Amino acid sequence: AQTVTQSQPEMSVQEAETVTLSCTYDTSENNYYLFWYKQPPSRQMILVIRQEAYKQQNATENRFSVNFQKAAKSFSLKISDSQLGDTAMYFCASDGGSNYKLTFGKGTLLTVNP
Amino acid sequence: EAGVVQSPRYKIIEKKQPVAFWCNPISGHNTLYWYLQNLGQGPELLIRYENEEAVDDSQLPKDRFSAERLKGVDSTLKIQPAELGDSAVYLCASSLGGLAGANTGELFFGEGSRLTVL
Repeated sequence: AQTVTQSQPEMSVQEAETVTLSCTYDTSENNYYLFWYKQPPSRQMILVIRQEAYKQQNATENRFSVNFQKAAKSFSLKISDSQLGDTAMYFCASDGGSNYKLTFGKGTLLTVNP
Repeated sequence: EAGVVQSPRYKIIEKKQPVAFWCNPISGHNTLYWYLQNLGQGPELLIRYENEEAVDDSQLPKDRFSAERLKGVDSTLKIQPAELGDSAVYLCASSLGGLAGANTGELFFGEGSRLTVL
């Protein structure tokens, strides 16, 4: 069974600074998707960024970027110029090559301080 | 475009009572998921539907949980009887499904139904 591990239960950052959230995963597949989802307090989970494993280039979405290390099975999320609205739980997830079934990590609670 | 709609948002019941949650996915999304999210944890899959067919229900506790998606659109998740340990958030999600390329694996989530069992 595939696993996704987030080793940082909580993190905090000052507004406008940069923070990196860590994630490692385990899968025997060669091609798969990796995701970072954001879950604000009492609000729905939304996709932040997606990475296809066969693409070597790291995905970027505005202030959000990933550092994908396939051999190390590492998938970290970097948030630049942190904003108060970035305060949320962040979940790393992998589809393990299934293209439909996501396995989530336990999440990292990120607090952005003014 | 309307997102995934779930109801009720909150439900408080006593143990041994039944409870049901409803989900309406994004229009055109063939695949529907029910996830369980315990406090401080990531979501865990309970059941996945492709249209009206339950194609993955291996983690659904079938002694007390049931689900249906009769017309391949909206879905209901039922617990009967509820136990104290069922207190959690029940998330519904949908995706395009179908051929690779149409489905990039992205799930669209509802706001969840928070269940408290007393």
